[in-house]
Amino acid sequence: KAGVTQTPRYLIKTRGQQVTLSCSPISGHRSVSWYQQTPGQGLQFLFEYFSETQRNKGNFPGRFSGRQFSNSRSEMNVSTLELGDSALYLCASLEGLAGGPGELFFGEGSRLTVL
Amino acid sequence: AQKITQTQPGMFVQEKEAVTLDCTYDTSDQSYGLFWYKQPSSGEMIFLIYQGSYDEQNATEGRYSLNFQKARKSANLVISASQLGDSAMYFCAMRMGMDTGNQFYFGTGTSLTVIP
Repeated sequence: KAGVTQTPRYLIKTRGQQVTLSCSPISGHRSVSWYQQTPGQGLQFLFEYFSETQRNKGNFPGRFSGRQFSNSRSEMNVSTLELGDSALYLCASLEGLAGGPGELFFGEGSRLTVL
Repeated sequence: AQKITQTQPGMFVQEKEAVTLDCTYDTSDQSYGLFWYKQPSSGEMIFLIYQGSYDEQNATEGRYSLNFQKARKSANLVISASQLGDSAMYFCAMRMGMDTGNQFYFGTGTSLTVIP
């Protein structure tokens, strides 16, 4: 079974631009969540999608948005980039069966640098 | 308020020795899950071990065990017989809202270095 795939792996943008990151979850997994990882801050939860619906959202400004497609693939978008958006963005999937145990399976991340 | 606290930014351990990585959590939920992940320098997050809030026995997975003390709200990771390949960042995480979604809270991590 293929793992979680994130593209692109690395990208450089300038302030004010926008960026779209893509995530393909493990086959059969319906829940996809996104995390921002910065040094010293650990992983900060951005949002979670399940069956094309955003089910949970973290405390991030509206510049951060996402969506999920019918095949469970997900994209996140950051508009009007700021220097502080430089981070490793991690996508994670799980089967999405609420109420049961289940670990997150992570992709290798998309490392965004904003200049 | 921090839901997951890892108070050890960095730890050192001699090869073949055991090490304990601390984690405390904060929740008023009765149903939650506790996880530990390892992140080597390559960046991928690797699941290590899980403990459910209703599990009475401490979880074990090979050389990893989770010392779960519910009343103290702690979920420490114990790595026995440390190996050089254990050098990595370790993150404690809590899954909440298990009936309405999958929201995970992560600590800031502990950097473990295994010394030969």
